[in-house]
Amino acid sequence: KQEVTQIPAALSVPEGENLVLNCSFTDSAIYNLQWFRQDPGKGLTSLLLIQSSQREQTSGRLNASLDKSSGRSTLYIAASQPGDSATYLCAVSTGGFKTIFGAGTRLFVKA
Amino acid sequence: GAVVSQHPSWVICKSGTSVKIECRSLDFQATTMFWYRQFPKQSLMLMATSNEGSKATYEQGVEKDKFLINHASLTLSTLTVTSAHPEDSSFYICSAVGTSGLTGELFFGEGSRLTVL
Repeated sequence: KQEVTQIPAALSVPEGENLVLNCSFTDSAIYNLQWFRQDPGKGLTSLLLIQSSQREQTSGRLNASLDKSSGRSTLYIAASQPGDSATYLCAVSTGGFKTIFGAGTRLFVKA
Repeated sequence: GAVVSQHPSWVICKSGTSVKIECRSLDFQATTMFWYRQFPKQSLMLMATSNEGSKATYEQGVEKDKFLINHASLTLSTLTVTSAHPEDSSFYICSAVGTSGLTGELFFGEGSRLTVL
């Protein structure tokens, strides 16, 4: 059974700091891995999608890496801003696009 | 990116009534949609997979007679919470696989907050 773990559960950093969010999964037989952002009381916004054959994806100040063999992914946020404050969710998809989510990392960026 | 719309965004109902939540893919066709439930400060739990033109596939522990799912068209899936009770109060979110089916990218609706009194 696939399990997805995110560390840390919560993180508070000063504005401008670079930070790394971690995601690990137990079954390396994945189809893809996706990072999402969720603001309080809202739905999910897709940030980055990494296919199982890829090692990383970049979008603006965000960079996500994938090491399928070790069951790990990281989301790197450069030069954090208060607007980055949200919960970040890691999700792993297996066959049929069935997706398992981690519990999320709650990020707070202080101005 | 692809847009998924949910309606209503919030609903309050009395115990014993039924509530229908709609999930629409606005600019693409989605043969497969997913319904999730999220409790406060917890992650998303997959409830069921909705397939256009066929019966939904429910996850273990999810009552299919309680949570009725209909996916009658390529752009609409509905979740009906039947005879709702306070313990059904939750945040329900749907997602759809984008038209680039090979990538498996999921797009999510804004969610529907259900409060059962």
